Amino acid sequence: GPKVLQIPSHQIIDMGQMVTLNCDPVSNHLYFYWYKQILGQQMEFLVNFYNGKVMEKSKLFKDQFSVERPDGSYFTLKIQPTALEDSAVYFCASSPDWGGDTQYFGPGTRLLVL
Amino acid sequence: QQKVQQSPESLTVSEGAMASLNCTFSDGTSNNFRWYRQHSAKGLEVLVSIFSDGEKEEGRFTAHLNRANLHVSLHIREPQPSDSAVYLCAVSNNRIFFGDGTQLVVKP
Repeated sequence: GPKVLQIPSHQIIDMGQMVTLNCDPVSNHLYFYWYKQILGQQMEFLVNFYNGKVMEKSKLFKDQFSVERPDGSYFTLKIQPTALEDSAVYFCASSPDWGGDTQYFGPGTRLLVL
Repeated sequence: QQKVQQSPESLTVSEGAMASLNCTFSDGTSNNFRWYRQHSAKGLEVLVSIFSDGEKEEGRFTAHLNRANLHVSLHIREPQPSDSAVYLCAVSNNRIFFGDGTQLVVKP
């Protein structure tokens, strides 16, 4: 079936540095999402993105976070600067429609901030 | 905001015995309910989606939805050790709200 890819699979960085997480969504999908899962906790919605704009974001989507998809390439989540509490697995999802029933998830990027 | 709770937190069953997982939600206006499986170090695997009250079967996985009782369950027929994973309940309209997950262990 359709696959969402995420690069890198793991990332270790020092607190205060910038990190960019990359998502390669399903090719004909138009809606993109990021979710965050801290170890042992629920997966939680961060943001959704359509037509070059953030449509909705949660309170977890701090000012240090930003998303973009320049020229139809990777859908990225940038954290600048990173904090210790940003350590988590970040899942990207994409869907052809606006809704939760058709989202395809990537395998996640494991981010460790030291 | 939608609250999704799963029970039990962990479940151990013997290979071949039925496994039953439960999920309750707080807002009955959501229109999509889905069960995912999350193996460690892997992404999410969709098991079954259900949109209306009743039962939906996908292979060995059957979901039951009772919107009036704010409850959706997952039953796994003839579970195998390879089914050992965390099972996530997801309730959505535009965004997905996940439960905490049930850790299922299937013993040979």
